[in-house]
Amino acid sequence: DTGVSQDPRHKITKRGQNVTFRCDPISEHNRLYWYRQTLGQGPEFLTYFQNEAQLEKSRLLSDRFSAERPKGSFSTLEIQRTEQGDSAMYLCASNTLGALAGVSYNEQFFGPGTRLTVL
Amino acid sequence: AQSVSQHNHHVILSEAASLELGCNYSYGGTVNLFWYVQYPGQHLQLLLKYFSGDPLVKGIKGFEAEFIKSKFSFNLRKPSVQWSDTAEYFCAGANYGGSQGNLIFGKGTKLSVKP
Repeated sequence: DTGVSQDPRHKITKRGQNVTFRCDPISEHNRLYWYRQTLGQGPEFLTYFQNEAQLEKSRLLSDRFSAERPKGSFSTLEIQRTEQGDSAMYLCASNTLGALAGVSYNEQFFGPGTRLTVL
Repeated sequence: AQSVSQHNHHVILSEAASLELGCNYSYGGTVNLFWYVQYPGQHLQLLLKYFSGDPLVKGIKGFEAEFIKSKFSFNLRKPSVQWSDTAEYFCAGANYGGSQGNLIFGKGTKLSVKP
């Protein structure tokens, strides 16, 4: 399977601990996105990278959150001093912006997500 | 502000019934629109997409959606649902060319199909 992969799939941690998630995008994709999804809501954008550059961060991404994509391939999302409100599914997506007949498009391919539970 | 809204939180249908899920968007300029589906225990999968051209787009598994610019709508339809269509459906939008990078999702509609 050459889709987007995420590790771990589930993480249970105690409040105050640090956690780190990993995302491996589809290999030829230069853009990588992080989203968060809570129960009853659609995914909410956190941040995205083009190659190794972090181009945009949402206001949802507090100072306790940091994301990296050091070599423009896989990415990590770290949450420091976790809080119960951080409990959510963390989704990763990837793509390469393309153009078809002069129209740009932004289809994103999603991984299975990492479900974080903060006790 | 950019937004995507879905009208129904939970829809319950019997097999063979017709389906229409509402989606409205609020975007300036040209927009890319998507419907994603999430089957129980699985990750988000693209159902169909609209970038430009024919406003009636066809996706996988017999789904289609119609982009109506004047109504800012992109409703999802299927003439006859099956039990296997039970899933959560998300409408999403992105700016033309994705210059701002992110998709904006609606809250989702959970579809339950009774056999």
